[in-house]
Parts: sequence; structure tokens; C-alpha cells
Amino acid sequence: DQQVKQNSPSLSVQEGRISILNCDYTNSMFDYFLWYKKYPAEGPTFLISISSIKDKNEDGRFTVFLNKSAKHLSLHIVPSQPGDSAVYFCAATSGSSNTGKLIFGQGTTLQVKP
Amino acid sequence: DVKVTQSSRYLVKRTGEKVFLECVQDMDHENMFWYRQDPGLGLRLIYFSYDVKMKEKGDIPEGYSVSREKKERFSLILESASTNQTSMYLCAITGGRLGKNIQYFGAGTRLSVL
Repeated sequence: DQQVKQNSPSLSVQEGRISILNCDYTNSMFDYFLWYKKYPAEGPTFLISISSIKDKNEDGRFTVFLNKSAKHLSLHIVPSQPGDSAVYFCAATSGSSNTGKLIFGQGTTLQVKP
Repeated sequence: DVKVTQSSRYLVKRTGEKVFLECVQDMDHENMFWYRQDPGLGLRLIYFSYDVKMKEKGDIPEGYSVSREKKERFSLILESASTNQTSMYLCAITGGRLGKNIQYFGAGTRLSVL
């Protein structure tokens, strides 16, 4: 049972344009969401997160939007740069968990073309 | 800076060999995790530990075991390696001053089982 889904395996955008990566979840107990970025042969790096008490969080070129009623979150990258080309994972967790266990989506490979 | 060190970046082993993957953290973090990453499947949790000598199964524990004798070190053991265990293995930590929601990853170990 895939509780966190990224339905687009890949996305290609032109440099300077907006990249929108999507993520859906099914478990209504999730109340904290994260995005990670992964380059080949490296570990994932934390990018941005959002709590369920918010619907938007922004950090520079990266903005995460949360739609709780739709159980959907998205990551916007504006403007996209070639260095953003990587695999992006969304993840979710419940604040009631003491272990910090995250549930990850399958990942979306973003290619930003110069 | 958080430092999560995985002992090997690349490993090649033969079917049936016993394989040890080591993960070491430089801070006093309680929670440590082992994942494998496969294309199209995202990050899947194998085992995690929330304290010394404590461990819990993740989503895909079959064929693996773990050991945590000291707080800073979490080992993943493949008792008898098989070709379907060829994968990227990632160690992560959370807890302590990091809080429990954001996981920080090591660089990963690319394991090939021939």
C-alpha cells in the first residue's frame, strides 16, 4: 500500500521556467511533509518542509504548497536551473511518531535543459 | 554540520557472502535508519533503531539484520547476499538537536552482488 505517491516518474523543463513536482498521500495522520533532492551516487539532501498547520512554505527559489483536503502537496522551483536536475523525493510523517520514521514517494527525475 | 559516514561508497560481493555495511554518526543522535533505493521504488525502509541495542523492522527487512552496540554506529548485515540485494543503500539519522522530523543521509553505498 503506497501511502505517498509521486505519479510522474520524470519531468523536463527549460532553464528559467517553473518546475512543478507533485505528491499525493493517503494517510490523514500525516502532518509533516518534506522534500529531498538526490544527485546520482550521493545521499538525499533535505530541501524544504511544511507542517500541516500551513499551506505554503517558501525558501528562496523553492516553495512547497500543501492542500490538506486533497491530500496533495507540490514543490515549485522558480526559476529552474540546470543544477536543479536531480531526483526529487517527497516524504511524510506523523508528529505522534517518536521515531522520526518517514514514508517516501517513488521519486521524480527532474531534467532542466539549458 | 551533521556528518553521517558510510564506510564504503562501492562494494562488489559474490552471492552467498556475508556483507557488512557500516554507518557512523558524529553526534549524539538517537534514531538511525537503513534504506535501499531502487529506480521507480523510491526509498524503502529496511530497519531502524531508536537507541542502543534497540531495533525495529521497516518495510522490507527480509534477508537483512542490523546491529547497534554503540550509539554512534548502526550496521546493516546481509547474512547471505543475493543478486536481488544489488542496490543503493542509504543510512540516515535524526533526533537530538536535529529534532525528529528531518532525516540526514550519508553518501550511500552502491552494492553489487554477482
